[in-house]
Amino acid sequence: QQQVKQSPQSLIVQKGGISIINCAYENTAFDYFPWYQQFPGKGPALLIAIRPDVSEKKEGRFTISFNKSAKQFSLHIMDSQPGDSATYFCAASRDGGTSYGKLTFGQGTILTVHP
Amino acid sequence: NAGVTQTPKFQVLKTGQSMTLQCAQDMNHEYMSWYRQDPGMGLRLIHYSVGAGITDQGEVPNGYNVSRSTTEDFPLRLLSAAPSQTSVYFCASSSRANYGYTFGSGTRLTVV
Repeated sequence: QQQVKQSPQSLIVQKGGISIINCAYENTAFDYFPWYQQFPGKGPALLIAIRPDVSEKKEGRFTISFNKSAKQFSLHIMDSQPGDSATYFCAASRDGGTSYGKLTFGQGTILTVHP
Repeated sequence: NAGVTQTPKFQVLKTGQSMTLQCAQDMNHEYMSWYRQDPGMGLRLIHYSVGAGITDQGEVPNGYNVSRSTTEDFPLRLLSAAPSQTSVYFCASSSRANYGYTFGSGTRLTVV
């Protein structure tokens, strides 16, 4: 049972372009939506996160857009750079009681930014 | 600060053997989790803990045991290794005040 579906599986973008990765979730109880970035041989690292009380959050070149009614959220990377080449994971969790910390991850997107 | 430390980094086991993957964090985080990462499947939660003495199952707990006797340590035990447990295992920790999880660098396990 995949509660968070991520697309595309892989993405190739030219330097300076916009990278867009999409995720859809099923569990309406989810209320925390982080994105993680993973480089080869390393563990995932938190990139940016959003809660459903806002529709957009921006940190530098990275923006999360959130659509609660559609149960979708996406990551936009503006002015993509070769150093952004990595695997990106969306995730979702509930913030409450013993459910806290039970992150459900998407399948991952391998981003390649060509110079 | 070392963050989240996982040992070993690589391990090869024979089917039926048991072993313990070690995880330690020095950030006084209450929450700790174990994930496995397989190609095309993202990261799947095996077990997690909200504090010393408290553990719960995740999405794929079968074949794994955990205990949390201290805040710092959260070992993952494979009872009888199977080829299906070949994977990369990540330990992660978080505090209630900061929702972001800090991941270790992983243990690559091969079961032959």
